[in-house]
Amino acid sequence: AQTVTQSQPEMSVQEAETVTLSCTYDTSESDYYLFWYKQPPSRQMILVIRQEAYKQQNATENRFSVNFQKAAKSFSLKISDSQLGDAAMYFCAYSRDDMRFGAGTRLTVKP
Amino acid sequence: GAGVSQSPSNKVTEKGKDVELRCDPISGHTALYWYRQSLGQGLEFLIYFQGNSAPDKSGLPSDRFSAERTGGSVSTLTIQRTQQEDSAVYLCASSLVANPSWTSYEQYFGPGTRLTVT
Repeated sequence: AQTVTQSQPEMSVQEAETVTLSCTYDTSESDYYLFWYKQPPSRQMILVIRQEAYKQQNATENRFSVNFQKAAKSFSLKISDSQLGDAAMYFCAYSRDDMRFGAGTRLTVKP
Repeated sequence: GAGVSQSPSNKVTEKGKDVELRCDPISGHTALYWYRQSLGQGLEFLIYFQGNSAPDKSGLPSDRFSAERTGGSVSTLTIQRTQQEDSAVYLCASSLVANPSWTSYEQYFGPGTRLTVT
């Protein structure tokens, strides 16, 4: 079974600084999708960024970018110029036959 | 353009009672997903529907859990004889389509139902 591991239960960043959230996954498949979701205190899950495994180019969405290392099965999220509104739980997810989520990383942004 | 809605937003029930959780997906989305999020934990995949059929029910935690979807729209997740360990937030999501082999489309999540079993 595919597993998704987020090894950082909590992370903290100073406003305007950069933070990287780690994610590794286990799969024997070559084609799949990876996602980062954000869950603020409102509980509403929001898609941050998506990466197709067949694409070598790292996905970028404004201040959010990923470092996708397929051979290492690593999918980290970099948040640049952190803002107070970025404070949330961040979930890494793997999608192939279904969707598997990591345990999440709670990000705190300090003013 | 309404998003995914879920009802009730909060449910408190006594141990042993049955509960029904409802999910109303985005109009036109053929795929619907149910997840469970225990306090401080990640998301646990429960089941997904493509149209009215659920190809894989193995994610349901026990036979007390069942889900159905009728008319390719609203879905209900039913938990019979609730136990305290069922307490969690139950999230529903929908997407445009779920490829039979893999789920590749963005999922839009509802606000969840917080279930508390006393």
